[in-house]
Amino acid sequence: DIQMTQSPSSLSASLGDRVTITCRASQTISTYVSWYQQRPGKAPSLLIYGASTLQSGVPSRFGGSGSGTDFTLTISGLQPEDFATYFCQQSYSSPYTFGQGTKLEIK
Amino acid sequence: QVQLQESGPGLVKPSQTLSLTCTVSGGSITSGTDYWSWIRQPAGKGLEWIGRVYSRGTTDYNPSLKSRVTISIDTSKNQFSLKLDSVTAADTAVYYCARQRWFHNADYTEDSWGQGTLVTVSS
Repeated sequence: DIQMTQSPSSLSASLGDRVTITCRASQTISTYVSWYQQRPGKAPSLLIYGASTLQSGVPSRFGGSGSGTDFTLTISGLQPEDFATYFCQQSYSSPYTFGQGTKLEIK
Repeated sequence: QVQLQESGPGLVKPSQTLSLTCTVSGGSITSGTDYWSWIRQPAGKGLEWIGRVYSRGTTDYNPSLKSRVTISIDTSKNQFSLKLDSVTAADTAVYYCARQRWFHNADYTEDSWGQGTLVTVSS
């Protein structure tokens, strides 16, 4: 299985801040990474696929980059609704494994 | 806009079989090249991909669960199902069903999810 190592596991930030979350794959996976946002008690919601393509309806303050083994999710200008948990997932090969998650909290 | 809804018992006894159904509305379960998947999440923990099924019945399972899992599809009812045998407390989790859609630069990705259903394994 491909392991996805996500960091940090938690992050404190203020409204308006810019934050970056990283995900490292245990082998090269091209751009086959997606990012999800999960609010408490809710299902994950797709933000980005193909490492950098924004899902329809997702605000442009979310951005993704990377290829190979290293990937980043950046949120610019944090809004109150952005405080949630974020997961990466690889879609290069089955089983489609997830990172451990990053909980973004208000400072 | 496709919608997915999980249903099934919220409590299962140890050693028994967990059975869940996902009903798809707002679109056909046989449309295009979509797969239909199950993912679970123990309380306060991360996500585990369980497996997926294609409209023609082709399946793909996580090797860690493969010996206990069966995912099937009923195109006449626009539903797909999960069965997990010989459950233990470690199988207690929120179970999500999702649509896996193909994207040109991302292969298959879960783009629509059900709200999730909590299944507790306890006597």
